[in-house]
Amino acid sequence: NAGVTQTPKFRILKIGQSMTLQCTQDMNHNYMYWYRQDPGMGLKLIYYSVGAGITDKGEVPNGYNVSRSTTEDFPLRLELAAPSQTSVYFCASSVDSNQPQHFGDGTRLSIL
Amino acid sequence: AQKVTQAQTEISVVEKEDVTLDCVYETRDTTYYLFWYKQPPSGELVFLIRRNSFDEQNEISGRYSWNFQKSTSSFNFTITASQVVDSAVYFCALRNAGNMLTFGGGTRLMVKP
Repeated sequence: NAGVTQTPKFRILKIGQSMTLQCTQDMNHNYMYWYRQDPGMGLKLIYYSVGAGITDKGEVPNGYNVSRSTTEDFPLRLELAAPSQTSVYFCASSVDSNQPQHFGDGTRLSIL
Repeated sequence: AQKVTQAQTEISVVEKEDVTLDCVYETRDTTYYLFWYKQPPSGELVFLIRRNSFDEQNEISGRYSWNFQKSTSSFNFTITASQVVDSAVYFCALRNAGNMLTFGGGTRLMVKP
């Protein structure tokens, strides 16, 4: 039962570097989401997708990009890493927007 | 704009005590969904319950119960006879007519033996 799989689990980046956080789900869910969780805080939505080829901004999209070429995959790209992007990133998926979201285990990203 | 407030940032109880986690929300929509998630120390997020705005019936699941009151815009969560394994951060979340889920800031529950 894989569910939502995120890679990598941990990463350290230097300021200005770029990287892609991978997210894949095997539940055939249409909806997928990326959140960030800063220390001691709740989750904030970065981007979401309601199906392959469709993406939309969430609450905090600046500095990130996403794509959704397949139902299964929803990668999150950081182009020019900044210290403010140090956070734990969670990917989630759901059947539709009313159903519970299933979360991956998170990616802990530090930018130094 | 919608908002979820969890005023209790940290709660500490002794095992077997009952504890209630408060959640107050704001939305202009008449149709919305409320959720509770648990984040144990291992970091993953675990779904606990979903409630839609038309269903004010309270729910009980084992030691967990939820009290939804539209009149006060609250969706509180009670753990009866708490256990050490209940130690976690608990998040309340709201989804309104849009596709976005808004999370509260979370309540860290510490259950001491």
